Formats: sequence, C-alpha cells, structure tokens
Amino acid sequence: GAVVSQHPSRVICKSGTSVKIECRSLDFQATTMFWYRQFPKQSLMLMATSNEGSKATYEQGVEKDKFLINHASLTLSTLTVTSAHPEDSSFYICSANPGGGYNEQFFGPGTRLTVL
Amino acid sequence: GENVEQHPSTLSVQEGDSAVIKCTYSDSASNYFPWYKQELGKGPQLIIDIRSNVGEKKDQRIAVTLNKTAKHFSLHITETQPEDSAVYFCAASRGAAGNKLTFGGGTRVLVKP
Repeated sequence: GAVVSQHPSRVICKSGTSVKIECRSLDFQATTMFWYRQFPKQSLMLMATSNEGSKATYEQGVEKDKFLINHASLTLSTLTVTSAHPEDSSFYICSANPGGGYNEQFFGPGTRLTVL
Repeated sequence: GENVEQHPSTLSVQEGDSAVIKCTYSDSASNYFPWYKQELGKGPQLIIDIRSNVGEKKDQRIAVTLNKTAKHFSLHITETQPEDSAVYFCAASRGAAGNKLTFGGGTRVLVKP
C-alpha cells in the first residue's frame, strides 16, 4: 500500500518550453501533496504544499508563476515548470499524505528534468 | 521555523557492523520523526518513524530512539548489509496531517562487503 507514482520519470526539453509533471497516489486518497526539488548530493527542498481544490502554498523564494501546481483531485497533483531554463534542471519529487490525522508522507520515484 | 541537523554526512561501515545516524531538531512542538532511505536516482522510501509519545521503536534490523528533552533522535541499523548502502534522511514535523516535513542534510552510508 501507499504507492505514489510520477510521470514522466525523465524529460529533456528545450529552453523556453513548459513541462508538466504528474503525481498520483495509486491506492489511497491524498488530502495533501507536496512538491520537492533536489540537487545532486543535497537534501530535499520543499517547493510547495498543495491541498485538493485549493491554491498551493509556496515556500519562500519559490516563484508561483513559474512553478504552477494544480491539485485537481484527491489522487492527482501536477507541477508545470513554465518557460523552463537550464537552471531549472533538477530532480523533482512529489509526496502524498493520506490524512486521517497522521503526517506520513509517501514519496514518488521522482522526475529528472533536463533543460537544454 | 524548524531546523534539523544530521550527522555524520558520510558513514562507511564493514558489512555486519552497526551504523548509527543522529539528528537534532529545534522546534519543541515537533512530534513526528520519520526516517527515509534514498537510493540513487529514486525517491525517498519511508523506513521507520516515531512519534513523541514513545522513546524507541524497532523493526527488524532498524530502530529509532527519541529523546524529547534533548531534542534529538537516532537511527540504528544492525547487522548491516551491502543493500543498506544509500542516503538516509531524518525529518521532523508537527504531527497534524498535512504539515510539512523539515529534512536533515542526509547521511551517505556505504556498507563495505
């Protein structure tokens, strides 16, 4: 149980294009999903918290117009990197919290974004 | 906000030996402390967690201890195996559903056969 998937696992795009990453909770409903960014050999950096049906809460320094988050259902959240540039290249990971009063987060396998 | 420090940053052990990773946190209101294992190119996997109403929790070869007074918690891996080689992250959170986790900097563990 508690499986989270991400799609795509890898994406290479040209500078200036937009990329959408999907995060799905496969066997539970996620009241809250989180998006992280991870640089090589570093810890996870929280970008934003998203709750189904409401606007995402972004961490300080994260541009909400660049990283668009949509949490349309209890099993799906999407992150769109708009007008991507090489400095946006990173490993993006989502996690999902099943709710029910506990704070466990189950992580997806991550998406490697490379912007040329 | 919460701040989590993790030590050591790298740890090399011989197969069969024990490994210990320590974390300290700053927010006395934190009451949920998970540990994650991350293999290269993959997402973190929850391996064990502890809540502040207990001082120790064990699951086969891994155990976590919590000292709320001192605000530190530790991961213990016994009888290490090569497949334990990975990066381990501790985290802390106020335990209500939907609250964010604050992660430590990670420990790269290498188990030498």
